[in-house]
Amino acid sequence: EDKVVQSPLSLVVHEGDTVTLNCSYEVTNFRSLLWYKQEKKAPTFLFMLTSSGIEKKSGRLSSILDKKELSSILNITATQTGDSAIYLCAVESWWSEKLVFGKGTKLTVNP
Amino acid sequence: SQTIHQWPATLVQPVGSPLSLECTVEGTSNPNLYWYRQAAGRGLQLLFYSVGIGQISSEVPQNLSASRPQDRQFILSSKKLLLSDSGFYLCAWSSLEDSPLHFGNGTRLTVT
Repeated sequence: EDKVVQSPLSLVVHEGDTVTLNCSYEVTNFRSLLWYKQEKKAPTFLFMLTSSGIEKKSGRLSSILDKKELSSILNITATQTGDSAIYLCAVESWWSEKLVFGKGTKLTVNP
Repeated sequence: SQTIHQWPATLVQPVGSPLSLECTVEGTSNPNLYWYRQAAGRGLQLLFYSVGIGQISSEVPQNLSASRPQDRQFILSSKKLLLSDSGFYLCAWSSLEDSPLHFGNGTRLTVT
């Protein structure tokens, strides 16, 4: 059964800190790994990482896929209070139409 | 551009009552459609997904059901709600060309 484990489950930091969120996975016939940010309602898409695109960056956020270690990290530099959210990691396989999600990491950025 | 609508936003229902949550997608054809439930501390749990009209795959056996009467409409139903059905229900869509899931704003269901 496909499985995604995120760590830590929660994290409290101060504005300006740099954080690293972790995601490890077990999936048959890996296709992609996705990161989402969920503030209050709908999760919003951040990054998709595949075998052909193992590193993505957007502003202060960046993510790397390590296919050998079956894991990914999401880095946020110079955190702001607006970064406070639940960050979700999900994986997809080539033979399935569905994503498997981890439990998420709840990030709280204090001023 | 594509948009997804989900309603209602919040719902309080007594145990044993029926349920109907609706989701529609605009701006795309033949999307894959999904229902997820999010419970505190348990992440997103896939309940149903559909790759076409009338095609429903169930992931978790329970007293919920799903239907897809039209290409861009996905309905989550129950004949009799249980307390354990409380949670945050999210509808989502994706296409073969655009793999990321796009979520609706969710329905917060409280069964009392």
